[in-house]
Parts: sequence; C-alpha cells; structure tokens
Amino acid sequence: NAGVMQNPRHLVRRRGQEARLRCSPMKGHSHVYWYRQLPEEGLKFMVYLQKENIIDESGMPKERFSAEFPKEGPSILRIQQVVRGDSAAYFCASSARGGGEDTQYFGPGTRLTVL
Amino acid sequence: GDSVTQMEGPVTLSEEAFLTINCTYTATGYPSLFWYVQYPGEGLQLLLKATKADDKGSNKGFEATYRKETTSFHLEKGSVQVSDSAVYFCASGGRYSGGGADGLTFGKGTHLIIQP
Repeated sequence: NAGVMQNPRHLVRRRGQEARLRCSPMKGHSHVYWYRQLPEEGLKFMVYLQKENIIDESGMPKERFSAEFPKEGPSILRIQQVVRGDSAAYFCASSARGGGEDTQYFGPGTRLTVL
Repeated sequence: GDSVTQMEGPVTLSEEAFLTINCTYTATGYPSLFWYVQYPGEGLQLLLKATKADDKGSNKGFEATYRKETTSFHLEKGSVQVSDSAVYFCASGGRYSGGGADGLTFGKGTHLIIQP
C-alpha cells in the first residue's frame, strides 16, 4: 500500500513565477492536509481539504496561496508570484477520517527554493 | 490558540544512554498527542500517539504518557542507538483542541544526536 506521494521533491523557481505542488493521499484516504516547514522551525498547518471541498484554510496566507483537491487527481497547492520568503519544505498529510484524533500520514515533502 | 513547547536541541547523548525529550502543550479542549520523527531529507513518520489522559503510547522502545494534570507528553527511551539520531516533533490535534479544527499543532522539533 503506497504511502502519501508528493511531487516534485525539489522545486526551484525565480521570484514572480508560479509553483505547483502535488500530493496524492494514501489509498482509501479522503482527507488531505498541507503544512509548511520553515528552516529551523516546526511544521505550521496551512489548509485541510476533502474531495472538492476546503474545510479549514485558517493557516493559509491571504494572498498568492491556494489549494484544491479535485474529484479526480491529486491535491494541488499553488503559490503565485513566489517570493524568497516562500522558500520552505511543504508537506502533505492524509488521514482516513478527519477530526484531528485520526493519525495523519505524511509525504516526503517538496522543498521549494525561490531564487 | 493551541501551542506545543518542546525542549530545545540539539541533544547529544552516547549510545545506550537514557533519553527524555520534554513536551508540554496548551489547548482549550482535550487533544490527541503525537510524537513524529524526521530523518534527514525525509518526511515525518508517526512514532507514537495517545488519545486520552493517562494513555501510554509506545513504539520501537520509545514511550510517552499523556499527563493531563501537567499538560505534558514527554518522550522517553531506556537505551538509545545511533540509528535514533533524527529530529523529533511533538504535536497536538483534535476536533476539540481549538484552533484549526483538524490541523496538528507542532513544536519546533528537537534534534537528537547519538554518538557511538
């Protein structure tokens, strides 16, 4: 049973470009979470999605960031007009049920570098 | 909002030493508590969890007990190995813990270095 998959593993963008990060949850999981890890920091929650619905985006920056989890295909975290401060590791997690008590399984992350 | 505080690192120990990594939390409700481990260049792996007061989570020789009275979830291992070298994250989560309904709240991580 494949785990959570993320691609690309490494992404380099120049300031002003767009970054698209993909996440495929574990088989049978319909709950997806995105987190950001800045250097020397813990992970910060960004957004929680179920299929075709954003449930909680309380951790998403108000501008340039968006996320989706379509009926078919992976979840996408999109960052428009990237800036150097967006350089970080972005982790996706999935769970079989929501509620926070359920274990979240993490992908290997996408390390975004903005030049 | 919720917060998780864990001891600063790096923590350097010799092989076979006893390990304790402290973790305390603040929450408006009754969160579940987790320890995750991150090896270099990899994602987080769940190490253990506890969902209610006095529960003990255990895995691979690691243990942590959910202490509601002290709001703590300290990680312990009786005899560490070089292969335990990694970054350890304490986290809280749960629908009733406040803040983001389902997102986990993480501590900053503790870098553990085990020397042969």
